[in-house]
Formats: sequence, C-alpha cells, structure tokens
Amino acid sequence: GENVEQHPSTLSVQEGDSAVIKCTYSDSASNYFPWYKQELGKRPQLIIDIRSNVGEKKDQRIAVTLNKTAKHFSLHITETQPEDSAVYFCAARKLNFNKFYFGSGTKLNVKP
Amino acid sequence: ETGVTQTPRHLVMGMTNKKSLKCEQHLGHNAMYWYKQSAKKPLELMFVYSLEERVENNSVPSRFSPECPNSSHLFLHLHTLQPEDSALYLCASSQDMNTEAFFGQGTRLTVV
Repeated sequence: GENVEQHPSTLSVQEGDSAVIKCTYSDSASNYFPWYKQELGKRPQLIIDIRSNVGEKKDQRIAVTLNKTAKHFSLHITETQPEDSAVYFCAARKLNFNKFYFGSGTKLNVKP
Repeated sequence: ETGVTQTPRHLVMGMTNKKSLKCEQHLGHNAMYWYKQSAKKPLELMFVYSLEERVENNSVPSRFSPECPNSSHLFLHLHTLQPEDSALYLCASSQDMNTEAFFGQGTRLTVV
C-alpha cells in the first residue's frame, strides 16, 4: 500500500515569514495530492490540491509543488499570518481508488 | 457548511453502552469514509464504502460496526468500547474519480 510521510511535525515561524511543509509518498501510481488545514476544534478542510500532470499550483499565498520522480510534494505558505496557525495534513490517492493516505500532520504556529 | 453533517458532536459513553454515530452527506457523492483522529496521530482510516458496499476495512476491532443503508448515510455502531477508543471520529465523502474528500465536523467520543 501507500505510505505518506510528512515533515516537520511542528513548525513555528514569525508572522510574515514563509513556511514549507514536505511530504513523501511511496506508490508511484498515486496521482492526486490534496492538502488539508485543520484549525483547533474544527474539521479538516481542503486548501489546495495538485494532480500528477502538473508540477506546481498556486492560490494566492499558498502553493504546492510536486516532484513525481522523487515522489515528494510540498506546501508553501508565504507572508504567513496568525490565522494560518493550524494543523496541516497532506494526502495521496491513486486513480480509481477511494482511499486517501494521510500524512501525520504538521502543527504550524505563526507568532505575531 | 460543507454538506457533510455528523451527529452527535460530542458523546460520552460507558464501556458497556451501545451507541451510534451518524453521518449524512448532501453532495451526491458515492463514497463515504470513517476516520479516527487521536491526539498526536495521523488520521486513521477505519472504513470505506463505495456505492453502499464496504470496500475497505482497516483491521478495525469488531466493537466498531459500520452501516451504510444508502449513499447519503453512514453509521458507526459502537459497543463495549475501551477508554483508548476515545478520539475524534470524522466522516468524509468523495466522488469516485480523483476528487477531494469533504469532512464532517466530527464526533468527539469519550469512553469512561
């Protein structure tokens, strides 16, 4: 099966700095990679996703990059704000499979 | 509101009780999931239903029993639970082909 590893487990940055969270996956057949943000006491919510036919996707202050050869993908948050503080999960999924493999999560703390 | 609703939001039960968690989705999705989220652990997939048939059971103890009567509803029946089963139980749904999972708010379960 798939194995998704996520690093770091905790990340603390100063407001305005950038934050990068990295994930690796093991199954080269995985082709869909979403990122979820979970604020304290709330449900995980999709913030950005990328499919294997593209290498980078950007949405305002967040971006995701994918390296299929190395089997890793990363979440980049620029100009961080205190409201970005949350736990972020990466996930991987294969075509035609109804199963998401989640990373262990990264707790991001943005200090004002 | 993401379209995935879970009830109850909080549940405290004794080890000899029987209770059920309910999940309902109004998104027209054909796959539904139960996840367990414990402190400092990744999201653990418990069950997957696709087109109302169980397609995945990740070695979950038999004290957890899922039921999917139709594509919009998913239940998790609980009986003789242990204190270590205390966690946040998240329901999610998705379409078949490469779409993101939408999560419910979760049920915070405490076993005493």
